[in-house]
Amino acid sequence: NAGVTQTPKFRILKIGQSMTLQCTQDMNHNYMYWYRQDPGMGLKLIYYSVGAGITDKGEVPNGYNVSRSTTEDFPLRLELAAPSQTSVYFCASSYSGQYNQPQHFGDGTRLSIL
Amino acid sequence: GENVEQHPSTLSVQEGDSAVIKCTYSDSASNYFPWYKQELGKGPQLIIDIRSNVGEKKDQRIAVTLNKTAKHFSLHITETQPEDSAVYFCAASPVGTGANNLFFGTGTRLTVIP
Repeated sequence: NAGVTQTPKFRILKIGQSMTLQCTQDMNHNYMYWYRQDPGMGLKLIYYSVGAGITDKGEVPNGYNVSRSTTEDFPLRLELAAPSQTSVYFCASSYSGQYNQPQHFGDGTRLSIL
Repeated sequence: GENVEQHPSTLSVQEGDSAVIKCTYSDSASNYFPWYKQELGKGPQLIIDIRSNVGEKKDQRIAVTLNKTAKHFSLHITETQPEDSAVYFCAASPVGTGANNLFFGTGTRLTVIP
């Protein structure tokens, strides 16, 4: 049981390039999330999904896109990388249900845009 | 949206002493308050959580208290050990926000001095 797995762990992009951050979970969680963490700051929600085929915007969605074709995978797409998107990106997942369930996090992707 | 403030931003204690981290939230609809520990190069890990129908919760050396009237909650770590050194984040989740979305504080860097 690997939990939440993110790839790659590190990446350097040039301005204007695009890339996809991968996230997969093996806990059969319905809910999945993407956060960004800037230095000295808390995590900000970019996008979330309540199940396959259903996604919605969080606090800071501009410049990103997501898709959820399966329960396990929730990739995050950067189309035109900008220096402001330099950050650490975390994917998380949780059970759904009437009451809040703990979110389980991956170890992050550290992205630098130069 | 929900706004979570966290204090202090840094905290140094002697091994064996207690550490207290405080958070306030703005949305009275928040009903779930988790605390996460983040070690260098890793994703956040849940250490304890509390729901709005409970005033206090303990797990060995860790306790969390919640004051709904004042909209604040606190993390208490007793008998601190060097391995408690990490960044700690509080979060709040308002009822009805998507996938039980979390809003994070800006973190407290705890250093336990041997």
